[in-house]
Amino acid sequence: DAGVTQSPTHLIKTRGQQVTLRCSPKSGHDTVSWYQQALGQGPQFIFQYYEEEERQRGNFPDRFSGHQFPNYSSELNVNALLLGDSALYLCASSLGGASNQPQHFGDGTRLSIL
Amino acid sequence: GENVEQHPSTLSVQEGDSAVIKCTYSDSASNYFPWYKQELGKRPQLIIDIRSNVGEKKDQRIAVTLNKTAKHFSLHITETQPEDSAVYFCAASFSSNTGKLIFGQGTTLQVKP
Repeated sequence: DAGVTQSPTHLIKTRGQQVTLRCSPKSGHDTVSWYQQALGQGPQFIFQYYEEEERQRGNFPDRFSGHQFPNYSSELNVNALLLGDSALYLCASSLGGASNQPQHFGDGTRLSIL
Repeated sequence: GENVEQHPSTLSVQEGDSAVIKCTYSDSASNYFPWYKQELGKRPQLIIDIRSNVGEKKDQRIAVTLNKTAKHFSLHITETQPEDSAVYFCAASFSSNTGKLIFGQGTTLQVKP
């Protein structure tokens, strides 16, 4: 039973560049949520994708965008990178998009902005 | 606003003792409350969760209690072991129809052998 997988594991970018992070949900799951975790803090909700649509967005600017594919995998895109975007980006998958379903996290992508 | 407060920020106990971590949430419509354990450099791991129609849930040495009236919930770990040492996060759902979770600030638990 494959768990949530994310790629790449680490990424180094410079200010102003753009980045794409990828996530494959756990087998049987159809909903993907993205979170940003700064060092020493709890994950912060970026947005959730269900049925290939963004259903809800957290307090993040439009520089953060995403996509969900028919096979339920998802991408997170960040444009015009800032130093403050350095963080661990976590993907979590769940079933049905409901508010009371368990979310299982991947190992994350560590993004460093120079 | 949407907020989850978690206390304490650090907790040190002797092996075999109990540990309790408490969280309060702001939205009375929240209906799902998971707890995650995160070891250094690893993913947050779901260890237990509770829904709003239940007051208490137990899984071996771990239990969670929910007080909807007071809008707080707690994690109880009994007979702590050194491998319980990690950062623990509480979270609460903040939308009636999506899985938006708001996380607490985390508690660093150290279990001394």
